Amino acid sequence: EKVMTQSPATLSVSPGERATLSCRASQSVRTDLAWYQQKPGQAPRLLMYDASTRATGIPGRFSGSGSGTEFTLTISSLQSEDFAVYYCQQYNDWPPWTFGQGTKVEIK
Amino acid sequence: EVQLVESGGVVVQPGGSLRLSCAASGFTFDDYAMHWVRQPPGKGLEWVSLISWDGDSTYYADSVKGRFTISRDNSKNSLYLQMNSLRPEDTALYYCAKDSCSGGSCYWYFDLWGRGTLVTVSS
Repeated sequence: EKVMTQSPATLSVSPGERATLSCRASQSVRTDLAWYQQKPGQAPRLLMYDASTRATGIPGRFSGSGSGTEFTLTISSLQSEDFAVYYCQQYNDWPPWTFGQGTKVEIK
Repeated sequence: EVQLVESGGVVVQPGGSLRLSCAASGFTFDDYAMHWVRQPPGKGLEWVSLISWDGDSTYYADSVKGRFTISRDNSKNSLYLQMNSLRPEDTALYYCAKDSCSGGSCYWYFDLWGRGTLVTVSS
């Protein structure tokens, strides 16, 4: 099983600032990595797939990078609607499909 | 409208059984594999089970293997999760999710999620 580890657990950022979230895989997942956003009381929403491709309707301030075991999700200028929990997920080797434990982006 | 709507979550005693349902609309249901993913209160996401587009292939997390059974009825655009021998640690919001890959035996990421149905296992 490929274990996904996200850091930090909580990120405090001011509106308009850049946020950088990390996700590490215990073994290479190539670029078979997705990112999801989850707001309180809502289902997760797909943000990014194949490590760096934005899903339909996702604004350009979201970008993804990385391959192998190290990945980054960057939000270039945080908007109020971006404060949420973000999860990475690998689909390189299954079952199981595995998620990181999440990074909460909160208002500083 | 493209959507998934789960139902069937209730409070059940340990050792009990429950069947969850997920109604799909707005896309060609039998083109896609489907998953169940759960989230315990205040915690992260855990993949539970997958069923292929035709129902011929199923996979389970070790934590539910032998107790849960996934199935689908393509004529009704519906997905199911039969949950037996329930334990307190099965308490969670259960989401159905659509796989992004169309047809074949490819299984990737989840591009459509329902709002979830809450299962509580407690005496």
